[in-house]
Amino acid sequence: DQQVKQNSPSLSVQEGRISILNCDYTNSMFDYFLWYKKYPAEGPTFLISISSIKDKNEDGRFTVFLNKSAKHLSLHIVPSQPGDSAVYFCAASETSGTYKYIFGTGTRLKVLA
Amino acid sequence: NAGVTQTPKFQVLKTGQSMTLQCAQDMNHNSMYWYRQDPGMGLRLIYYSASEGTTDKGEVPNGYNVSRLNKREFSLRLESAAPSQTSVYFCASSAAPLGTEAFFGQGTRLTVV
Repeated sequence: DQQVKQNSPSLSVQEGRISILNCDYTNSMFDYFLWYKKYPAEGPTFLISISSIKDKNEDGRFTVFLNKSAKHLSLHIVPSQPGDSAVYFCAASETSGTYKYIFGTGTRLKVLA
Repeated sequence: NAGVTQTPKFQVLKTGQSMTLQCAQDMNHNSMYWYRQDPGMGLRLIYYSASEGTTDKGEVPNGYNVSRLNKREFSLRLESAAPSQTSVYFCASSAAPLGTEAFFGQGTRLTVV
């Protein structure tokens, strides 16, 4: 049973516009959420995170929103750049437990120049 | 600062052969993880180690064994490789429970024929 879901396998956005990537989770014990970016033939790299005590976290062009009641989080990239083209994974963990990270299936973002 | 180092980067095995994937981190992290990445399946946790001397099963542990040799090293062993184990394997570490994000290695591309 997939505890973390990314229902959009791919997304195409024009350069300069907003990219919105979505993620849903089912385990109510998750209290820490992360987004990772992955280029081909490289390991995933950390992008941004959010604790369940917050509903928004911002870092430059990247903002993550958390809706605990809906068990939903989203990553906004504004403005999108061609270098943002990559696969994005969301992940979730329980900070009170063993801190294992459960990942979603990923969304491939293509930013068109 | 090398971060997380995985060896080998590529490997081809015949069905039934065994091999060990090596992982070492130089960040003095407590927790280490092994993931596999398959098309459409995202990153799935195989095993993790919350601290030196402890290991626990993740989402897809069947067919694998692990050893947390010391705080730096966490190896993944395939005793009898099967074609279903063809995948890209990623090792990661984190400072959990003190830290937040996990840091990933560059990956090992394994093909079982």
